[in-house]
Amino acid sequence: GENVEQHPSTLSVQEGDSAVIKCTYSDSASNYFPWYKQELGKRPQLIIDIRSNVGEKKDQRIAVTLNKTAKHFSLHITETQPEDSAVYFCAASLPFSGSARQLTFGSGTQLTVLP
Amino acid sequence: EAGVAQSPRYKIIEKRQSVAFWCNPISGHATLYWYQQILGQGPKLLIQFQNNGVVDDSQLPKDRFSAERLKGVDSTLKIQPAKLEDSAVYLCASSRGTSGEKETQYFGPGTRLLVL
Repeated sequence: GENVEQHPSTLSVQEGDSAVIKCTYSDSASNYFPWYKQELGKRPQLIIDIRSNVGEKKDQRIAVTLNKTAKHFSLHITETQPEDSAVYFCAASLPFSGSARQLTFGSGTQLTVLP
Repeated sequence: EAGVAQSPRYKIIEKRQSVAFWCNPISGHATLYWYQQILGQGPKLLIQFQNNGVVDDSQLPKDRFSAERLKGVDSTLKIQPAKLEDSAVYLCASSRGTSGEKETQYFGPGTRLLVL
């Protein structure tokens, strides 16, 4: 199966600075990489995703890059705001068999944006 | 569009008791997933349904966990008997399908289970 490693586990930045979270995956067959934001006690919410046929995707202050050769992908948040504080999870989706999709999550990064 | 609904939100039971969780996916979503999220970790897939059929239950501890989606809409996840290590948040997610844009998963609020 797939194995996803995520770093760092905690990250503190000053408001307005950028934050970068990195993930690596093990199975080269994985082809879909979503990022979820989870605030304390709430549901994971999709913030951005990327498919293996593109190298970069941007949505306002959030961007994701994918390096298929190295099997790693990263989340970049620019001009961070206190409301960006949350746990961020990366994930890799592996076609399993038939219509099955195994979405394997990283262990999460607690991002704290200091005012 | 209404989101994924789950109940109950919280449950406290003693070990060896049984418990059941319910999930109502987003209308029209054919694919339904159950995840277990232990404190401080990412969600771990337990089982995936496509309509009312199981397509992946390779990570479900079948000696104590069971799940069904009889009419291809709502789903229930059951634990019998519960162990202390089952304490976690159980998340339900749904997607329109499993390819391309359809595979985006939307999560419910989860059921927080505490086994004493």
